[in-house]
Amino acid sequence: EAGVVQSPRYKIIEKKQPVAFWCNPISGHNTLYWYLQNLGQGPELLIRYENEEAVDDSQLPKDRFSAERLKGVDSTLKIQPAELGDSAVYLCASSPQAGETQYFGPGTRLLVL
Amino acid sequence: SQKIEQNSEALNIQEGKTATLTCNYTNYSPAYLQWYRQDPGRGPVFLLLIRENEKEKRKERLKVTFDTTLKQSLFHITASQPADSATYLCALDQGQGGKLIFGQGTELSVKP
Repeated sequence: EAGVVQSPRYKIIEKKQPVAFWCNPISGHNTLYWYLQNLGQGPELLIRYENEEAVDDSQLPKDRFSAERLKGVDSTLKIQPAELGDSAVYLCASSPQAGETQYFGPGTRLLVL
Repeated sequence: SQKIEQNSEALNIQEGKTATLTCNYTNYSPAYLQWYRQDPGRGPVFLLLIRENEKEKRKERLKVTFDTTLKQSLFHITASQPADSATYLCALDQGQGGKLIFGQGTELSVKP
């Protein structure tokens, strides 16, 4: 069974540019999570989806970050405009239902110059 | 304030020894505590979950304890191997629909 797929794996952009990350969760998983992981730190939740509904986006900086999960499957996380401090790894995870084991993708490593 | 702390220093041990990693928390009331392994360039991988009413959980060479009075979990790897070298993350789940709060992780290095 395929795991959580993320793309791109790496992205280098200049500040003020937009960037988007894509996530394909494990088939049948209703819950999808986006996390931010800074170097030497644990992941921090940005947003959680139940099917296509964002049920917890309290940690998402809404002035520049947006996310969507159309049709309750794939999801996209966007940053516009990117800032130097956004350089980090963006992880996507999914679980069959909320509260069940989370399966993480490999992450997208973003470098903002 | 709420805080989760893991051993800040990297842990270096000899192959065959038992590795013990610590996770302390303050001002949380977790329903569950989970441990993950993360290798460089990869996402975390779930290892074990322990509930607030459980004292100990085992899986093969792994053992987790959970003391809600001390607000501490210990993660043990017995008969450690170089392949166990990785960063280990603890995560609290307060039973709010799977919202995990992670510690900063402890890097374990097992030398042959």
